Amino acid sequence: DGGITQSPKYLFRKEGQNVTLSCEQNLNHDAMYWYRQDPGQGLRLIYYSQIVNDFQKGDIAEGYSVSREKKESFPLTVTSAQKNPTAFYLCASRTGNTHQGDTQYFGPGTRLTVL
Amino acid sequence: AQSVTQLGSHVSVSEGALVLLRCNYSSSVPPYLFWYVQYPNQGLQLLLKYTSAATLVKGINDFEAEFKKSETSFHLTKPSAHMSDAAEYFCAVSSQGGKLIFGQGTELSVKP
Repeated sequence: DGGITQSPKYLFRKEGQNVTLSCEQNLNHDAMYWYRQDPGQGLRLIYYSQIVNDFQKGDIAEGYSVSREKKESFPLTVTSAQKNPTAFYLCASRTGNTHQGDTQYFGPGTRLTVL
Repeated sequence: AQSVTQLGSHVSVSEGALVLLRCNYSSSVPPYLFWYVQYPNQGLQLLLKYTSAATLVKGINDFEAEFKKSETSFHLTKPSAHMSDAAEYFCAVSSQGGKLIFGQGTELSVKP
């Protein structure tokens, strides 16, 4: 089955620790995205990548880092510099990187809780 | 800058009643617009999208939306609500680089 997988589904972290969220897709999509979801605020873009070995900051990149070494993978690291990391994190991918009408497909999400 | 406003953070309807979820957008260029649905603790699933081919767009599960340029709206409707429609719905506009700008979401409740 083609799709996007995110792991783990639930993640608990102590304050001061870095944690990495996994996102893998086998859709052969060029572009990948990370969003953060908080109640009542919709989804906000953290980082995105339109091609391997390249990525750009989104609206709320502070305290996060990413890498894009392979087309299939776009891991997100939540660093200790992120002041309020408890949230639901969603990864998405898109087939093209030029046509704005192309659909973004979403993974099942990771719920991160800081203890 | 592009933006999306969803009117009503919570909408409640009776089973079998019309569903109407409102979305207004702001865009300086012809927009590409999307409606997604999210069930609890899950990812987002595309319901339908507008890409300028037709102003009335039909999606999955009998949902449809009409693009009205004069009103800068893209409201989502369904003739008859089902209990399984209870979820959160997001309207989004596509921006440079294919980024999506989302509204704040509308939670739909369906009463038996």
